[in-house]
Amino acid sequence: DQQVKQNSPSLSVQEGRISILNCDYTNSMFDYFLWYKKYPAEGPTFLISISSIKDKNEDGRFTVFLNKSAKHLSLHIVPSQPGDSAVYFCAAKRGDTGRRALTFGSGTRLQVQP
Amino acid sequence: DAMVIQNPRYQVTQFGKPVTLSCSQTLNHNVMYWYQQKSSQAPKLLFHYYDKDFNNEADTPDNFQSRRPNTSFCFLDIRSPGLGDAAMYLCATSRTGLVLDEQFFGPGTRLTVL
Repeated sequence: DQQVKQNSPSLSVQEGRISILNCDYTNSMFDYFLWYKKYPAEGPTFLISISSIKDKNEDGRFTVFLNKSAKHLSLHIVPSQPGDSAVYFCAAKRGDTGRRALTFGSGTRLQVQP
Repeated sequence: DAMVIQNPRYQVTQFGKPVTLSCSQTLNHNVMYWYQQKSSQAPKLLFHYYDKDFNNEADTPDNFQSRRPNTSFCFLDIRSPGLGDAAMYLCATSRTGLVLDEQFFGPGTRLTVL
């Protein structure tokens, strides 16, 4: 049973427009959420995170929104750039201790067209 | 630069022939993880070490073993690889004590089983 779901395997947007990547989760015990970005032949790299006590976190062009009642989060990239083309993984964890492993979604491949 | 290193990047083995994948880190993180990622799927946690404390996921096959001889190194041993074990294997590290720690990933080892 997938506890973290990314229902869109791919997304294509034009350069300069907004990219919105969505993620749903089922486990109400998750209280930290992270987005990772993965380029081909590289490992995932941390992008942005949000705690369940917040509903928004912003870092430059990247904003993550959390809707706890809907068990839904989204990553907004504005404006999108060709260098943002990558696979984006949503991940969730329980607790605030480092030993708690991440539960990943299956990823969304973002293609930003010049 | 501090990093997570995985060797080899590509590994080919024969059905049933034991194989060892290695991971090293210069981050001095106390937690190390091994994930298995099959094509277009979410990375799946196999096990993790919290310092020297080994934590196996319930559904990790007995065919998979791990060793952590010191803080910097962690090994994944596949005793008798099957065709279904062909995947990308990702090593990650994190440090406890942070409010919202991120995991740092290596580039992965792609395992092919012939």
